[in-house]
Amino acid sequence: AQKVTQAQTEISVVEKEDVTLDCVYETRDTTYYLFWYKQPPSGELVFLIRRNSFDEQNEISGRYSWNFQKSTSSFNFTITASQVVDSAVYFCALSEAKVGFQKLVFGTGTRLLVSP
Amino acid sequence: EADIYQTPRYLVIGTGKKITLECSQTMGHDKMYWYQQDPGMELHLIHYSYGVNSTEKGDLSSESTVSRIRTEHFPLTLESARPSHTSQYLCASSEGGTPFFGQGTRLTVV
Repeated sequence: AQKVTQAQTEISVVEKEDVTLDCVYETRDTTYYLFWYKQPPSGELVFLIRRNSFDEQNEISGRYSWNFQKSTSSFNFTITASQVVDSAVYFCALSEAKVGFQKLVFGTGTRLLVSP
Repeated sequence: EADIYQTPRYLVIGTGKKITLECSQTMGHDKMYWYQQDPGMELHLIHYSYGVNSTEKGDLSSESTVSRIRTEHFPLTLESARPSHTSQYLCASSEGGTPFFGQGTRLTVV
């Protein structure tokens, strides 16, 4: 069975601090996808990134970076120089790498509060 | 990226009423999904569709039903709403591996 664990329920930081959100996953699939989504107070889920299991390269997009380590089954997300607009709930998710249908298994989310 | 729309955004309704939550996408994606998000924030798949005339139940048992008569439209219906149905309902579509979500419908049954 697939499982995603986000052990940090809530993190509070002050603006401009760096923050890392942890994600640990379990799967028996040899190929899979990992995702991060952001859920601001307005409620929608905003796609941030998808990673394929065969690609362990880290990725950077502006102030966001992702560290994928298959050896520890982790897919951590770092926000550099956090801003108030980063305040949201962040979800890590996992799916089989099947063509087409993507059933996502979500973690329980980490609420990030960035204060000015 | 999909343009995916859900209406209404917020709905407060009395027990026993029939309701339909609308979900439409403009990208022609075959795969569509409904997730339920409880107040504790966990998201669970309740319905999905591979395409027109295809609907399947997800992992979380739900008293709701869905239909897929047109590619772009995937409505969810509750025949008789109950307070236990109070939740946020998120619709998504995908093609090529990444589900994109709508803004959600926050349903409250009183």
